[in-house]
Amino acid sequence: EDKVVQSPLSLVVHEGDTVTLNCSYEVTNFRSLLWYKQEKKAPTFLFMLTSSGIEKKSGRLSSILDKKELFSILNITATQTGDSAVYLCASTSGTYKYIFGTGTRLKVLA
Amino acid sequence: EAGVVQSPRYKIIEKKQPVAFWCNPISGHNTLYWYLQNLGQGPELLIRYENEEAVDDSQLPKDRFSAERLKGVDSTLKIQPAELGDSAVYLCASSLVQLTEAFFGQGTRLTVV
Repeated sequence: EDKVVQSPLSLVVHEGDTVTLNCSYEVTNFRSLLWYKQEKKAPTFLFMLTSSGIEKKSGRLSSILDKKELFSILNITATQTGDSAVYLCASTSGTYKYIFGTGTRLKVLA
Repeated sequence: EAGVVQSPRYKIIEKKQPVAFWCNPISGHNTLYWYLQNLGQGPELLIRYENEEAVDDSQLPKDRFSAERLKGVDSTLKIQPAELGDSAVYLCASSLVQLTEAFFGQGTRLTVV
């Protein structure tokens, strides 16, 4: 059965800290891995990764995929209170499904 | 460009009553998804449309849930009758084609009492 596992489940840091969120996957016919930020209800798209070892970057956020070890990380540097959210990882498979993890709840304290 | 629009944002109904959710995807997006998200969990797929065709409804509880996407644009998800366990957030998402990044609407928080 396809699955995506995220760790840690929750994290509390102080502003300015750097955090690393982990996502491991076991998916048949893996196609891509996606990261979303969910505040309140709507997940907002962050990154889509398809190739191993190529870092994607947007401001203070960056992500990389390791297709050999079947995981991805999301890094957030110089965290701000506005980064507080649930970060969801999803993998797409050969059956064209998105399989989501349960998310990592990040709280950034001022 | 407008994002995915869902309505209503919140709905409270009594058990055994019917309820419907509406979704308008991003213009030009052929793929539309309905997800259910329980508290503390990731979204779980209910149904996926490619244009007007439901290509994956294996997770849709067909005894009480139904969905349609007429003309391959807007979509409606219905529950009849609702049960207490249906209380959750119902998310609609769309993507240009399958397996590209999906964009989500604001969701509908359903409470069944």
